[in-house]
Amino acid sequence: SQQGEEDPQALSIQEGENATMNCSYKTSINNLQWYRQNSGRGLVHLILIRSNEREKHSGRLRVTLDTSKKSSSLLITASRAADTASYFCATDASGANSKLTFGKGITLSVRP
Amino acid sequence: DADVTQTPRNRITKTGKRIMLECSQTKGHDRMYWYRQDPGLGLRLIYYSFDVKDINKGEISDGYSVSRQAQAKFSLSLESAIPNQTALYFCATSDSSYSNQPQHFGDGTRLSIL
Repeated sequence: SQQGEEDPQALSIQEGENATMNCSYKTSINNLQWYRQNSGRGLVHLILIRSNEREKHSGRLRVTLDTSKKSSSLLITASRAADTASYFCATDASGANSKLTFGKGITLSVRP
Repeated sequence: DADVTQTPRNRITKTGKRIMLECSQTKGHDRMYWYRQDPGLGLRLIYYSFDVKDINKGEISDGYSVSRQAQAKFSLSLESAIPNQTALYFCATSDSSYSNQPQHFGDGTRLSIL
């Protein structure tokens, strides 16, 4: 069963614009992670935010977490064509990284 | 060289055949995972292993089996393949030394069953 649900399912923006992707989940978590998947490749870890954190930055990425609303958002600023990919949120309920539960993913297209 | 290597990258086979997908890693991680990805469904966990002697079923283990031959090797078998097992399969690893660690993925095996 899917724990995370991303929104929107697909997003198309112009290069230079910001991209915001959302993830909602159902049960308590220890951390939430965002991954990127380029076409034909495996998933690459982008950023992890713990349940006691509210915001985290990594380069052009900004992740927020609202545990009261069971939701997270991933913001990519000043997008580039190379950011075109699928993005997945994944939740870890245990903190021991025993199992991640992935959402269905968001397809981001960045037009040059 | 890739840290997590999956072989083969592509495989086409017929219904009823036995298939083995292999995964090896050079990251020294103790935990390994097998996922299946279908269009529109995201990734679903098939099996996971916390060490050589510890193997656990995931969300969709029916029709699959695994073997952890060594810390670095984790293989997935389809004993009698069926068409609805056509999918993209991923192996991943993680390190239990610290909590809150990410998983590291191979580039996947695209499996088609006719």
